[in-house]
Amino acid sequence: SQQGEEDPQALSIQEGENATMNCSYKTSINNLQWYRQNSGRGLVHLILIRSNEREKHSGRLRVTLDTSKKSSSLLITASRAADTASYFCATGIKAAGNKLTFGGGTRVLVKP
Amino acid sequence: EPEVTQTPSHQVTQMGQEVILRCVPISNHLYFYWYRQILGQKVEFLVSFYNNEISEKSEIFDDQFSVERPDGSNFTLKIRSTKLEDSAMYFCASRVVGAGEKLFFGSGTQLSVL
Repeated sequence: SQQGEEDPQALSIQEGENATMNCSYKTSINNLQWYRQNSGRGLVHLILIRSNEREKHSGRLRVTLDTSKKSSSLLITASRAADTASYFCATGIKAAGNKLTFGGGTRVLVKP
Repeated sequence: EPEVTQTPSHQVTQMGQEVILRCVPISNHLYFYWYRQILGQKVEFLVSFYNNEISEKSEIFDDQFSVERPDGSNFTLKIRSTKLEDSAMYFCASRVVGAGEKLFFGSGTQLSVL
């Protein structure tokens, strides 16, 4: 089993609807981050939530973190066709290098 | 906005050949990373680099892999003798030291080993 597993693997919604995706992890973390990847491109940082935070907002994004359940959710409100992308959670552990460990991602398709 | 730059965007090589993937991290960043993503799979950590040395590496980063910061701006990943299974998108990333923990990723180098 791996650190950072997203659920669902794929999500198809209509423009204007909300998209919710979840991430579970296994070890204690320092922070959890969400990234977006358009097809064939690099990852773009969306939002970071620290282990002592429970909820964070950024524009149309809302992230929650439940450290007791070792899970996080990303909500995209009022989705747009341009939100079509893969979304990855990544956990940061305070250690040498502070590497991020990525999950498998959720592919989101927003239909116009 | 400053960017991480990777070259080339595509690299095709024959099995057994050496390849060098190049990255120019953001200028005031001091932590550097290489990740890879095999088509349709998750993004996998390879190595992190700080203060001119490797700070952490994964099991994937075996003796065939090496990293170098040959000057003040470039950060390279070398694969000495490529295998078919090295075919993947390779991403370079960098970040500042301290409070900024988010990574800035380049657009990647698509490596195809034939």
